[in-house]
Amino acid sequence: DIQMTQSPSSLSASVGDRVTITCRASQTIRMYLNWYQQKPGRAPKFLIYTASTLQSGVPSRFSGSGSGTDFTLTISSLQPEDFATYFCQQSYSTPLTFGGGTKVEI
Amino acid sequence: QVQLQESGPGLVKPSETLSLTCTMSGGFISNHYWTWIRQPPGRGLEYIGYVFHSGSTDYSPSLKSRVTISIDTSKNQFSLKLSAVTAADTAVYYCAKSLRRQLDDGLDVWGQGTTVTVSS
Repeated sequence: DIQMTQSPSSLSASVGDRVTITCRASQTIRMYLNWYQQKPGRAPKFLIYTASTLQSGVPSRFSGSGSGTDFTLTISSLQPEDFATYFCQQSYSTPLTFGGGTKVEI
Repeated sequence: QVQLQESGPGLVKPSETLSLTCTMSGGFISNHYWTWIRQPPGRGLEYIGYVFHSGSTDYSPSLKSRVTISIDTSKNQFSLKLSAVTAADTAVYYCAKSLRRQLDDGLDVWGQGTTVTVSS
């Protein structure tokens, strides 16, 4: 299985801050990396696919980059509704695997 | 737009079989991968497996001996069966759909999730 490691596991930030979350794969996954946002008691919401493509309807303050083994999710200007946990997920091969999550506290 | 809804018992006894169904509405069940993902309390997301509209399946190696995922295209439903459950199978179970006709592009639609507790 491909292991996905996210850092940090949690962070505290203020509205307007630029936030960066990193995700590292245990082997190359090319660009097959997706990002999800999950709020308490809710299902994950699809944000970004193939490392950098923004899903329709997702605000442009979210962006993704990277390839191979190292990826980042950036929120350019944090908004109150961005309080959530963010997960990365590799879709290069099955079993699909997820990072442990990054909790963003405002 | 596509919506997914999980259904099934919220309480299962140890050693019994967990059975869940995911009903899709607002789209076509063909040409996508239909997956099950679970999330134990306070923990991360775990892939269980998928079924393609053709009926082909893939399962997580850690669960493979206990899992069956099937699809009923006439009812726009797919199902999960997990046998010989233990307390470690207590989780929120989600069904989710692939964005396109391959899994490469992630899972764009998720059900709201259903909590399954394994307890006697």
